[in-house]
Amino acid sequence: QLQLQESGPGLVKPSETLSLTCTVSGGSISSSSYYWGWIRQPPGKGLEWIGSIYYSGSTYYNPSLKSRVTISVDTSKNQFSLKLSSVTAADTAVYYCARHSYYYDSSASRREYFYHWGQGTLVTVSS
Amino acid sequence: EIVMTQSPATLSVSPGERATLSCRASQSVSSNLAWYQQKPGQAPRLLIYGASTRATGIPARFSGSGSGTEFTLTISSLQSEDFAVYYCQQYNNWPPYTFGQGTKLEFK
Repeated sequence: QLQLQESGPGLVKPSETLSLTCTVSGGSISSSSYYWGWIRQPPGKGLEWIGSIYYSGSTYYNPSLKSRVTISVDTSKNQFSLKLSSVTAADTAVYYCARHSYYYDSSASRREYFYHWGQGTLVTVSS
Repeated sequence: EIVMTQSPATLSVSPGERATLSCRASQSVSSNLAWYQQKPGQAPRLLIYGASTRATGIPARFSGSGSGTEFTLTISSLQSEDFAVYYCQQYNNWPPYTFGQGTKLEFK
């Protein structure tokens, strides 16, 4: 049974960098051809995709956050991580890590969606 | 960026009744649409992908339909555990993947 667990500081000061790690158990990040992503949810609001990484290290990010986001993978620890710089109160949210799943559509294009989710961790930006 | 719009924002339904939730995309997403269920304090749970394919372990009372810009999630006979917030998400044009704002299904 694949499990994902987010970890990191629950409180970050404005202008600092938010750092979170997602530890994967029940499966290996590097032995499969999946993408791994981060999604966030401000309190009482909807879901926002932040970015995703392939086990090989290739990444793609939400253009609205791209200038501040770095996602990396550590296959030796079976973990992937999120860094979000220059945070403000608007970055206060529950942060989820997730594993994509995929299929190939009728035009042989690979289609990705979010299948396995971590339980989420609340990060508050406040001085 | 494709904007996903869900309606209604809140739907009040009695147990045993049928619930119909709508999701509209600002441009065609073909059938590349997923539905998620989220209960308070929990992570979202995948229900449907490919607009109409149920994820593993999802009861048959959940069904998805639509393509292009109009999609529907139907719960045929509501159970008490189905009261939650439901989100649609497109994965046809990315980045970014985008979600709807959610429909809260509440007890009538």
